[in-house]
Amino acid sequence: QQPVQSPQAVILREGEDAVINCSSSKALYSVHWYRQKHGEAPIFLMILLKGGEQKGHDKISASFNEKKQQSSLYLTASQLSYSGTYFCGTESPTQGGSEKLVFGKGTKLTVNP
Amino acid sequence: EPEVTQTPSHQVTQMGQEVILRCVPISNHLYFYWYRQILGQKVEFLVSFYNNEISEKSEIFDDQFSVERPDGSNFTLKIRSTKLEDSAMYFCASSEIRDSEAFFGQGTRLTVV
Repeated sequence: QQPVQSPQAVILREGEDAVINCSSSKALYSVHWYRQKHGEAPIFLMILLKGGEQKGHDKISASFNEKKQQSSLYLTASQLSYSGTYFCGTESPTQGGSEKLVFGKGTKLTVNP
Repeated sequence: EPEVTQTPSHQVTQMGQEVILRCVPISNHLYFYWYRQILGQKVEFLVSFYNNEISEKSEIFDDQFSVERPDGSNFTLKIRSTKLEDSAMYFCASSEIRDSEAFFGQGTRLTVV
């Protein structure tokens, strides 16, 4: 079940904030956040495993809601280097556990000077 | 810093030919993955591999695909008879344990002509 990401694209000025959402119709085992720059490999940002969890650095953080169906990535005081496509990858709970990450379609973030 | 390495970086092959994409995961990692990304689209899971066997695979991973860990360090993806629609960036990833960060290689761009 592919997670739904929103928005599809965001354009910011340097210093502005953004929120990227990732949601599923069913409870998830975990949510992973990755950033990918054009032509490069996805880079891991963080993983959330527990309902109600919030983690990350002060400028980039993420939350996982209590029902474990929705996660948000918060980008604060954006920098030019934040530009890229952000993917959430989700794992669904299955018997014995799942090792399969299913990625959303991505949110393209552009930060302009 | 340890990294996942993939070779070649770009391969062009004729339709119907077999290709082998190679990956060297990080040495103490136990879980290995192949993902693919068609240009401009999301990253799609192909297969996960643990303890010398496939632990999970997607619908994309049909009989023309196979994976192998021939010598304890390499992890290969073979596409038996390539089709035009196999053209994509193929990423190998590895993780230490199941719920930890997946480190991605830089990818192999496969072009089928």
